[in-house]
Amino acid sequence: AQSVTQLDSHVSVSEGTPVLLRCNYSSSYSPSLFWYVQHPNKGLQLLLKYTSAATLVKGINGFEAEFKKSETSFHLTKPSAHMSDAAEYFCVVSLTGGGNKLTFGTGTQLKVEL
Amino acid sequence: GAVVSQHPSRVICKSGTSVKIECRSLDFQATTMFWYRQFPKKSLMLMATSNEGSKATYEQGVEKDKFLINHASLTLSTLTVTSAHPEDSSFYICSARPSAETQYFGPGTRLLVL
Repeated sequence: AQSVTQLDSHVSVSEGTPVLLRCNYSSSYSPSLFWYVQHPNKGLQLLLKYTSAATLVKGINGFEAEFKKSETSFHLTKPSAHMSDAAEYFCVVSLTGGGNKLTFGTGTQLKVEL
Repeated sequence: GAVVSQHPSRVICKSGTSVKIECRSLDFQATTMFWYRQFPKKSLMLMATSNEGSKATYEQGVEKDKFLINHASLTLSTLTVTSAHPEDSSFYICSARPSAETQYFGPGTRLLVL
């Protein structure tokens, strides 16, 4: 079985300050982990993915995430938030790559304030 | 590249009628497509996996006779909600898999059953 827990349903930051969205996973095997972003009325967009290569993964729009097996975490970070980053973010786990069954976390709504 | 479209983007129907939602991969072929359901403020739940030319595989708890899935070509999968009821109102999202490693998501279809 596999699951992900997103610890915060809402995160609010000021523009220009760092972003931290937390995710913990549970998997019986070595998982693949992803972060997706969902803007209102738009499809889910892949930000980054971890598939057993480098533990620090860099994604689009300045986001990155670090896979920490000892902590079973895959937190998403960005050094400086932009207004356009305001969206819903989902942490996702898959047993085999990203082409098979994806298990989604409950999402974190990121709000960016001036 | 890797664009997935859904049609319609939103639909309102009367209780008891059937509604068909289309999912198309516009610039790639997808032997496998997935259908998800997203409730307000909730995560995406996988409903079924659709393989071109064969029967869909439904997740536990999803009524296959109510949610009919057809994957007749490498670029098109359809989800038909039969005899819709208000509790079927939701946001339905499809994804298409061009390779074993990646899924691309459509923008979603908002269904409201009156």
